[in-house]
Amino acid sequence: DTGVSQDPRHKITKRGQNVTFRCDPISEHNRLYWYRQTLGQGPEFLTYFQNEAQLEKSRLLSDRFSAERPKGSFSTLEIQRTEQGDSAMYLCASSLVTGSYGYTFGSGTRLTVV
Amino acid sequence: DAKTTQPPSMDCAEGRAANLPCNHSTISGNEYVYWYRQIHSQGPQYIIHGLKNNETNEMASLIITEDRKSSTLILPHATLRDTAVYYCIVRNSQGAQKLVFGQGTRLTINP
Repeated sequence: DTGVSQDPRHKITKRGQNVTFRCDPISEHNRLYWYRQTLGQGPEFLTYFQNEAQLEKSRLLSDRFSAERPKGSFSTLEIQRTEQGDSAMYLCASSLVTGSYGYTFGSGTRLTVV
Repeated sequence: DAKTTQPPSMDCAEGRAANLPCNHSTISGNEYVYWYRQIHSQGPQYIIHGLKNNETNEMASLIITEDRKSSTLILPHATLRDTAVYYCIVRNSQGAQKLVFGQGTRLTINP
């Protein structure tokens, strides 16, 4: 297990299209997080899962966004009817539940909406 | 989670120690101080964390003041590959689980 994997690395889509990103966490990590990062800003929290349960969603996560982690392993983040303002880097991270351990982040999916 | 304050940018010469400050004056007793860095076009990378005592690992040292209101991340012998944005974050490991990132410090290592 080499870390958190995200797919695709880059996505260009036309406004109004739907896109889906995938994240594969470190296998023994039961927490999974999604963040969004725009140019020049720090990452912003979107949502997190503990196993398959989605425990918190940010107000940034509009109703066009949905995230799932159906079997408590990989997760998907879908954006429907994309807008130009959705252009950003989408980052996934995973961690253990217990202890003060840090997160391990993936390399992100860069979304460009044209 | 408590908020942190960091300088927006710093420069350091290659081979010298880089000292990155962070103020977290509203930190509470059970909150840890975490440091991450983000190299261009990559996800953030965990560096180090601590509660009260100073900590050292293979990447860096973390010095936390006795009152815990500020800390300093030290990269002892900075290299060009240490050029990145460095984020200082405080987090309660028992409560809210998300890391809240600020703007960080853009550290540039100059040859």
